[in-house]
Amino acid sequence: GAVVSQHPSRVICKSGTSVKIECRSLDFQATTMFWYRQFPKQSLMLMATSNEGSKATYEQGVEKDKFLINHASLTLSTLTVTSAHPEDSSFYICSARKTGARYNEQFFGPGTRLTVL
Amino acid sequence: SQQGEEDPQALSIQEGENATMNCSYKTSINNLQWYRQNSGRGLVHLILIRSNEREKHSGRLRVTLDTSKKSSSLLITASRAADTASYFCATDASFGNEKLTFGTGTRLTIIP
Repeated sequence: GAVVSQHPSRVICKSGTSVKIECRSLDFQATTMFWYRQFPKQSLMLMATSNEGSKATYEQGVEKDKFLINHASLTLSTLTVTSAHPEDSSFYICSARKTGARYNEQFFGPGTRLTVL
Repeated sequence: SQQGEEDPQALSIQEGENATMNCSYKTSINNLQWYRQNSGRGLVHLILIRSNEREKHSGRLRVTLDTSKKSSSLLITASRAADTASYFCATDASFGNEKLTFGTGTRLTIIP
């Protein structure tokens, strides 16, 4: 199997606070993980590529100081939304690519619904 | 940035009918993948087709790829109520940076 979990599944926070979202590959190692953002009824927008043991690569327009990514092990990446504002409210989804996979098949977590009041 | 566009944006059919969704993309690719997303959930990988393949089957799914037209189609045969979901194509560009670029998605509703 290839199961990816995310925690929490849902979080509500006050404006100005920071929120950490965890993405774990449960039964495989993932050198590379990806963080996406999805607005209602829209497609997934890649925010950043997270590589184990190195700095994340952010997509154009994504503030790296606001969306902190840490990929400290082959099974865990975290996304911290710092000083959250209502416009950060969204559905955040991570995916993981198996280390050594031949093709770029990604396995997705169930997503985290963030609501900033 | 979004590379793929899918049509139709929304599709409603009767249970038992076949559903066809199309995806177009812009750049050269290594492979194209189709994913399903139930409302408010993560994505489930359905099928991957490589750039040198033209057709692939998996259960009730049939995927075609036409690299000359930069397009792909997903056919779901004998649809079921449980197939109700959004379907996205995703392309893996041939310059190999591991990023997937997702299409705009098709919302499929199966009417019992």
